[in-house]
Amino acid sequence: QSVLTQPPSASGTPGQRVTISCSGSSSNIGSKYVYWYQQLPGTAPKLLMYRNNQRPSGVPDRFSGSRSGTSASLAISGLRSEDEADYYCATWDATLSGYVFGTGTKVTVL
Amino acid sequence: VQLVQSGAEVRNPGESLKISCKGSEYKFASYWIGWVRQMPGRGLEWMGIIYPGDSDTRYSPSFQGQVTISADKSISTAYLQWSSLKASDTAMYYCVKGYSGSLNDAFDIWGQGTMVTVSS
Repeated sequence: QSVLTQPPSASGTPGQRVTISCSGSSSNIGSKYVYWYQQLPGTAPKLLMYRNNQRPSGVPDRFSGSRSGTSASLAISGLRSEDEADYYCATWDATLSGYVFGTGTKVTVL
Repeated sequence: VQLVQSGAEVRNPGESLKISCKGSEYKFASYWIGWVRQMPGRGLEWMGIIYPGDSDTRYSPSFQGQVTISADKSISTAYLQWSSLKASDTAMYYCVKGYSGSLNDAFDIWGQGTMVTVSS
């Protein structure tokens, strides 16, 4: 049972904007940086966003991250077919003294 | 910069196993290396992490006592080992590199994964 809760699925048509939420608590999202990972089918996850809203080199600016209180969100604008993947939020939890991943959200491009 | 993991393994329940993760093109000793489990059709679970420079190791409570994480900085390699495998250990295991020298930072590099199958 993860301490970070995400919706199991999200979908949109090409060009639309999709937002994925990640809900935590004061011991994790509320006080630590949030990270986002993208896992394309059959591949290893890849870092998509670090320190709440920073994109690693090579990640399109269609992806954006934000954090407010004990929740965070990832937005994908201009949705494309290649964005169809599983997305995980993650952060450090001060109470558990460990890294925690969200439950994951499967994004489908209709 | 990359992490290259050892190949897929098939073992019987009760057997031991040690899988590896070799880092290249960066200063291996200066960045945390973690391990992440993904059971078939399931999400990501953080198992633990090690700082190769001084072998400081932290475990998730869920995996403490179930696995051992180690590293040999002289050959830029981290390890994940089991002394007695169970069928429930069947999963893909990823090694990951910390983005900075901080313990709680993002994982910017992922290994290709090692599939471990435990079945009689």
